[in-house]
Amino acid sequence: GENVEQHPSTLSVQEGDSAVIKCTYSDSASNYFPWYKQELGKGPQLIIDIRSNVGEKKDQRIAVTLNKTAKHFSLHITETQPEDSAVYFCAASGGITGGGNKLTFGTGTQLKVEL
Amino acid sequence: EAQVTQNPRYLITVTGKKLTVTCSQNMNHEYMSWYRQDPGLGLRQIYYSMNVEVTDKGDVPEGYKVSRKEKRNFPLILESPSPNQTSLYFCAIARQGARGGTEAFFGQGTRLTVV
Repeated sequence: GENVEQHPSTLSVQEGDSAVIKCTYSDSASNYFPWYKQELGKGPQLIIDIRSNVGEKKDQRIAVTLNKTAKHFSLHITETQPEDSAVYFCAASGGITGGGNKLTFGTGTQLKVEL
Repeated sequence: EAQVTQNPRYLITVTGKKLTVTCSQNMNHEYMSWYRQDPGLGLRQIYYSMNVEVTDKGDVPEGYKVSRKEKRNFPLILESPSPNQTSLYFCAIARQGARGGTEAFFGQGTRLTVV
């Protein structure tokens, strides 16, 4: 089955700096790569996603890049703000398991934006 | 707006005492799943259901049961809970997004402690 690895597990940045979280996946059949943000006491929420036919996608201060050949994708947050502090999960889906609906998650990155 | 409701939000129980965590959705989605979240392990799928009366094991199904008698409800059953099932549980629905790929919506979570 699919295996998703995520690094780093914790990341501390100064407000205004950029943050980068990286993930790798194992199943070449995966074709959809969402990112989730989990705030304290809440369930994960989708913040951005990318499909395998696209190399990069941007939404305001966040962007995702995908290298399908190397099987890795990254989340980039620019001009970080205190409200960006949260746990971030990458995920992959699109393989055969679960009819293509199964999401396999990375282990999460605790991002802390310091004033 | 997609809404996934879990109950209870917090539960402390004793080893061996059967319990059920309920999950209901308001979007008539076919695909529902349960995850557990543990520090350093991310979100791991327990069971999923692709439609009424269709359920299947995820990555960590041992010690759990589910049922899907109607589309909106997908309860998680622990017949004989053990301390290693102490975790944060999330129910999720999934749908094919407009851009393709699986868009998942998570409930608020259930914090279970088994003593």
